[in-house]
Amino acid sequence: DAEITQSPRHKITETGRQVTLACHQTWNHNNMFWYRQDLGHGLRLIHYSYGVQDTNKGEVSDGYSVSRSNTEDLPLTLESAASSQTSVYFCASSDGVRNTEAFFGQGTRLTVV
Amino acid sequence: GDSVTQMEGPVTLSEEAFLTINCTYTATGYPSLFWYVQYPGEGLQLLLKATKADDKGSNKGFEATYRKETTSFHLEKGSVQVSDSAVYFCALRMTGNQFYFGTGTSLTVIP
Repeated sequence: DAEITQSPRHKITETGRQVTLACHQTWNHNNMFWYRQDLGHGLRLIHYSYGVQDTNKGEVSDGYSVSRSNTEDLPLTLESAASSQTSVYFCASSDGVRNTEAFFGQGTRLTVV
Repeated sequence: GDSVTQMEGPVTLSEEAFLTINCTYTATGYPSLFWYVQYPGEGLQLLLKATKADDKGSNKGFEATYRKETTSFHLEKGSVQVSDSAVYFCALRMTGNQFYFGTGTSLTVIP
Protein backbone atom coordinates (compact mmCIF):
# COMPACT_ATOMS: atom_id res chain seq x y z
CA ASP A 1 0.00 0.00 0.00
CA ALA A 2 1.12 3.54 -0.68
CA GLU A 3 2.09 5.55 2.36
CA ILE A 4 3.79 8.64 3.67
CA THR A 5 6.42 8.25 6.36
CA GLN A 6 8.27 10.71 8.53
CA SER A 7 11.50 10.23 10.42
CA PRO A 8 12.48 10.49 13.12
CA ARG A 9 9.30 10.28 15.18
CA HIS A 10 10.93 12.06 18.10
CA LYS A 11 14.01 14.25 18.26
CA ILE A 12 15.69 16.40 20.88
CA THR A 13 18.25 18.90 19.70
CA GLU A 14 20.15 21.87 21.06
CA THR A 15 19.62 25.50 20.23
CA GLY A 16 21.66 26.57 17.21
CA ARG A 17 22.03 23.13 15.64
CA GLN A 18 20.90 22.33 12.14
CA VAL A 19 18.18 19.69 12.03
CA THR A 20 16.62 17.87 9.09
CA LEU A 21 13.29 16.08 9.25
CA ALA A 22 12.60 13.53 6.56
CA CYS A 23 9.36 12.94 4.65
CA HIS A 24 8.94 10.16 2.09
CA GLN A 25 5.80 9.30 0.15
CA THR A 26 5.06 6.43 -2.20
CA TRP A 27 1.80 7.84 -3.56
CA ASN A 28 3.64 9.45 -6.50
CA HIS A 29 1.99 12.73 -5.55
CA ASN A 30 3.27 15.97 -7.01
CA ASN A 31 2.17 18.09 -4.04
CA MET A 32 3.90 17.91 -0.68
CA PHE A 33 3.44 20.09 2.37
CA TRP A 34 5.03 20.70 5.76
CA TYR A 35 2.95 21.90 8.70
CA ARG A 36 3.62 22.54 12.33
CA GLN A 37 1.02 21.94 15.01
CA ASP A 38 1.00 23.95 18.20
CA LEU A 39 -1.64 24.23 20.89
CA GLY A 40 -4.00 27.07 20.08
CA HIS A 41 -2.75 27.47 16.51
CA GLY A 42 -3.97 24.38 14.75
CA LEU A 43 -1.95 23.51 11.65
CA ARG A 44 0.29 26.18 10.15
CA LEU A 45 1.85 25.79 6.73
CA ILE A 46 5.65 26.05 6.66
CA HIS A 47 6.65 25.18 3.08
CA TYR A 48 5.15 23.36 0.17
CA SER A 49 6.12 21.96 -3.21
CA TYR A 50 4.08 21.28 -6.34
CA GLY A 51 6.73 19.21 -8.06
CA VAL A 52 10.42 18.47 -8.46
CA GLN A 53 12.56 21.58 -8.10
CA ASP A 54 9.53 23.62 -6.99
CA THR A 55 9.39 25.02 -3.43
CA ASN A 56 7.26 27.75 -1.90
CA LYS A 57 7.04 29.53 1.44
CA GLY A 58 4.04 29.14 3.69
CA GLU A 59 2.83 31.39 6.46
CA VAL A 60 5.55 30.46 8.99
CA SER A 61 8.62 29.78 6.83
CA ASP A 62 11.23 31.85 8.69
CA GLY A 63 14.05 29.63 9.93
CA TYR A 64 13.04 26.68 7.74
CA SER A 65 13.99 25.48 4.27
CA VAL A 66 13.04 22.61 1.96
CA SER A 67 14.35 21.12 -1.24
CA ARG A 68 12.64 18.82 -3.74
CA SER A 69 15.07 16.77 -5.80
CA ASN A 70 12.66 13.91 -6.55
CA THR A 71 8.94 13.17 -6.36
CA GLU A 72 9.10 11.04 -3.22
CA ASP A 73 10.96 13.23 -0.72
CA LEU A 74 10.61 16.69 0.82
CA PRO A 75 13.07 17.10 3.71
CA LEU A 76 12.55 20.01 6.07
CA THR A 77 15.66 21.72 7.45
CA LEU A 78 15.83 23.97 10.47
CA GLU A 79 18.87 26.08 9.74
CA SER A 80 19.64 27.00 13.36
CA ALA A 81 17.16 25.48 15.77
CA ALA A 82 15.43 27.80 18.25
CA SER A 83 13.25 26.98 21.25
CA SER A 84 10.30 28.55 19.42
CA GLN A 85 10.58 25.72 16.91
CA THR A 86 9.69 23.11 19.49
CA SER A 87 6.57 21.62 17.95
CA VAL A 88 5.01 18.65 16.24
CA TYR A 89 5.72 18.62 12.50
CA PHE A 90 3.52 16.95 9.91
CA CYS A 91 4.25 16.20 6.32
CA ALA A 92 1.40 15.71 3.86
CA SER A 93 1.01 14.92 0.17
CA SER A 94 -1.76 15.15 -2.40
CA ASP A 95 -2.35 14.80 -6.10
CA GLY A 96 -3.51 17.61 -8.37
CA VAL A 97 -7.20 16.79 -8.40
CA ARG A 98 -9.44 19.27 -6.57
CA ASN A 99 -11.74 16.77 -4.90
CA THR A 100 -9.08 14.50 -3.46
CA GLU A 101 -7.70 14.63 0.02
CA ALA A 102 -4.26 15.13 1.46
CA PHE A 103 -2.52 12.23 3.18
CA PHE A 104 -0.56 12.86 6.34
CA GLY A 105 2.47 11.29 7.95
CA GLN A 106 2.53 10.28 11.60
CA GLY A 107 4.37 13.40 12.69
CA THR A 108 7.73 14.26 14.23
CA ARG A 109 7.86 15.67 17.73
CA LEU A 110 10.84 18.04 17.89
CA THR A 111 12.13 19.49 21.13
CA VAL A 112 14.76 22.23 21.05
CA VAL A 113 16.58 22.65 24.37
CA GLY B 1 -8.93 34.83 0.91
CA ASP B 2 -10.02 31.27 1.42
CA SER B 3 -10.42 30.20 5.03
CA VAL B 4 -12.17 27.88 7.44
CA THR B 5 -13.68 28.82 10.79
CA GLN B 6 -14.28 26.01 13.18
CA MET B 7 -16.06 25.75 16.50
CA GLU B 8 -13.70 26.25 19.39
CA GLY B 9 -13.25 23.50 21.91
CA PRO B 10 -12.69 21.62 23.93
CA VAL B 11 -15.95 19.70 23.79
CA THR B 12 -16.80 17.14 26.47
CA LEU B 13 -19.75 14.80 26.01
CA SER B 14 -21.13 11.76 27.72
CA GLU B 15 -21.19 8.51 25.83
CA GLU B 16 -24.23 8.19 23.49
CA ALA B 17 -24.72 11.98 23.35
CA PHE B 18 -25.32 13.82 20.08
CA LEU B 19 -22.34 15.61 18.59
CA THR B 20 -22.22 18.72 16.41
CA ILE B 21 -19.02 20.52 15.51
CA ASN B 22 -19.63 23.64 13.48
CA CYS B 23 -17.55 24.58 10.45
CA THR B 24 -18.06 27.49 8.10
CA TYR B 25 -15.89 28.50 5.20
CA THR B 26 -15.01 31.46 3.02
CA ALA B 27 -14.07 30.73 -0.57
CA THR B 28 -14.15 32.58 -3.85
CA GLY B 29 -15.30 29.54 -5.81
CA TYR B 30 -16.60 26.05 -5.14
CA PRO B 31 -14.29 24.17 -2.83
CA SER B 32 -14.16 20.55 -1.83
CA LEU B 33 -14.70 20.14 1.91
CA PHE B 34 -13.16 17.65 4.30
CA TRP B 35 -13.25 16.53 7.90
CA TYR B 36 -10.09 15.02 9.32
CA VAL B 37 -9.65 13.25 12.66
CA GLN B 38 -6.47 13.10 14.72
CA TYR B 39 -6.19 10.49 17.46
CA PRO B 40 -3.63 11.05 20.23
CA GLY B 41 -0.07 10.71 19.01
CA GLU B 42 -1.08 10.18 15.39
CA GLY B 43 -1.29 12.10 12.17
CA LEU B 44 -4.46 13.42 10.59
CA GLN B 45 -6.62 10.97 8.69
CA LEU B 46 -9.54 11.65 6.45
CA LEU B 47 -12.90 11.09 8.11
CA LEU B 48 -15.22 12.18 5.30
CA LYS B 49 -15.50 14.58 2.41
CA ALA B 50 -17.96 16.29 0.07
CA THR B 51 -17.03 17.73 -3.27
CA LYS B 52 -20.09 19.71 -4.36
CA ALA B 53 -23.09 21.50 -2.93
CA ASP B 54 -25.70 19.33 -1.18
CA ASP B 55 -23.35 16.34 -1.08
CA LYS B 56 -23.35 14.46 2.19
CA GLY B 57 -20.17 12.79 3.35
CA SER B 58 -20.43 9.97 5.87
CA ASN B 59 -18.15 7.52 7.63
CA LYS B 60 -18.15 5.62 10.95
CA GLY B 61 -21.50 7.15 11.91
CA PHE B 62 -20.31 10.71 11.27
CA GLU B 63 -22.03 12.88 8.69
CA ALA B 64 -21.60 16.34 7.20
CA THR B 65 -23.57 18.08 4.46
CA TYR B 66 -22.06 20.65 2.10
CA ARG B 67 -24.36 23.67 2.42
CA LYS B 68 -23.49 26.28 -0.19
CA GLU B 69 -26.22 28.70 0.91
CA THR B 70 -24.85 28.91 4.45
CA THR B 71 -21.22 28.12 3.51
CA SER B 72 -21.17 25.43 6.16
CA PHE B 73 -20.04 21.83 6.63
CA HIS B 74 -21.03 20.89 10.17
CA LEU B 75 -19.95 17.51 11.53
CA GLU B 76 -22.60 15.40 13.33
CA LYS B 77 -22.85 12.06 15.00
CA GLY B 78 -25.96 10.71 16.65
CA SER B 79 -24.34 8.73 19.46
CA VAL B 80 -20.69 9.26 20.34
CA GLN B 81 -18.44 6.63 21.88
CA VAL B 82 -15.37 6.91 24.08
CA SER B 83 -13.31 5.84 21.06
CA ASP B 84 -14.41 9.02 19.22
CA SER B 85 -12.28 11.12 21.56
CA ALA B 86 -9.89 12.95 19.24
CA VAL B 87 -9.22 16.29 17.58
CA TYR B 88 -11.35 17.08 14.52
CA PHE B 89 -10.26 19.41 11.72
CA CYS B 90 -12.42 20.94 9.02
CA ALA B 91 -10.61 21.73 5.76
CA LEU B 92 -11.26 23.01 2.28
CA ARG B 93 -9.49 22.69 -1.02
CA MET B 94 -10.01 25.02 -3.92
CA THR B 95 -9.22 24.43 -7.58
CA GLY B 96 -5.56 24.95 -6.84
CA ASN B 97 -3.46 22.70 -4.72
CA GLN B 98 -3.73 24.42 -1.36
CA PHE B 99 -5.59 23.08 1.64
CA TYR B 100 -6.96 25.39 4.33
CA PHE B 101 -7.52 23.94 7.78
CA GLY B 102 -9.54 25.06 10.75
CA THR B 103 -7.86 25.27 14.13
CA GLY B 104 -9.22 21.93 15.29
CA THR B 105 -11.80 20.95 17.91
CA SER B 106 -10.84 18.62 20.71
CA LEU B 107 -13.55 16.14 21.69
CA THR B 108 -13.52 14.08 24.87
CA VAL B 109 -16.21 11.48 25.41
CA ILE B 110 -16.66 10.26 28.97
CA PRO B 111 -18.25 6.92 29.89
